[in-house]
Amino acid sequence: GENVEQHPSTLSVQEGDSAVIKCTYSDSASNYFPWYKQELGKGPQLIIDIRSNVGEKKDQRIAVTLNKTAKHFSLHITETQPEDSAVYFCAASTGGFKTIFGAGTRLFVKA
Amino acid sequence: NAGVMQNPRHLVRRRGQEARLRCSPMKGHSHVYWYRQLPEEGLKFMVYLQKENIIDESGMPKERFSAEFPKEGPSILRIQQVVRGDSAAYFCASSPRGNSGANVLTFGAGSRLTVL
Repeated sequence: GENVEQHPSTLSVQEGDSAVIKCTYSDSASNYFPWYKQELGKGPQLIIDIRSNVGEKKDQRIAVTLNKTAKHFSLHITETQPEDSAVYFCAASTGGFKTIFGAGTRLFVKA
Repeated sequence: NAGVMQNPRHLVRRRGQEARLRCSPMKGHSHVYWYRQLPEEGLKFMVYLQKENIIDESGMPKERFSAEFPKEGPSILRIQQVVRGDSAAYFCASSPRGNSGANVLTFGAGSRLTVL
């Protein structure tokens, strides 16, 4: 079945620096790749997603890149702020009903 | 427009008791998914339901766990004879469509089950 690996598990950056989280997936049929942010005590919230027909998508300070050949995709957060501190999950879906999540990255942004 | 509503937010049960977790999907959404999150871990798929139908329960333990999504009312995740290993956060998500196209999931705030 589909497997999604996510690295690093923990990431600490200084406020204003960039943060990059990387994921790889196993099922070449995957065509939808969402990223979720989970704050303490809350449910995951979709922050950005990308479909397989594009290689990059940007929304203000966050961007996602996709390399279908290598089966990996990445989340980039620029000019990090303390409120970016949270757990970030990548996920992959083949377009069916099952979305498979990575294990998560705990991001700390130090003021 | 209320999001995905889950209750209770916190539930404490003793070993052997039953736990019932409820989920009302977003307005207009007819597909419900349940995920389990163990402490410091990711989200593990449990079950996918549409109204009155279980579409896929491949992630659900074979015993003690069941789910339903009746014609009227919320989806229910039921855990019978709970054990300490069932302690986790259970998240419900909903989407406006299932098998066709990519599923954009909207999650609820979760129900945190603690088994004493």
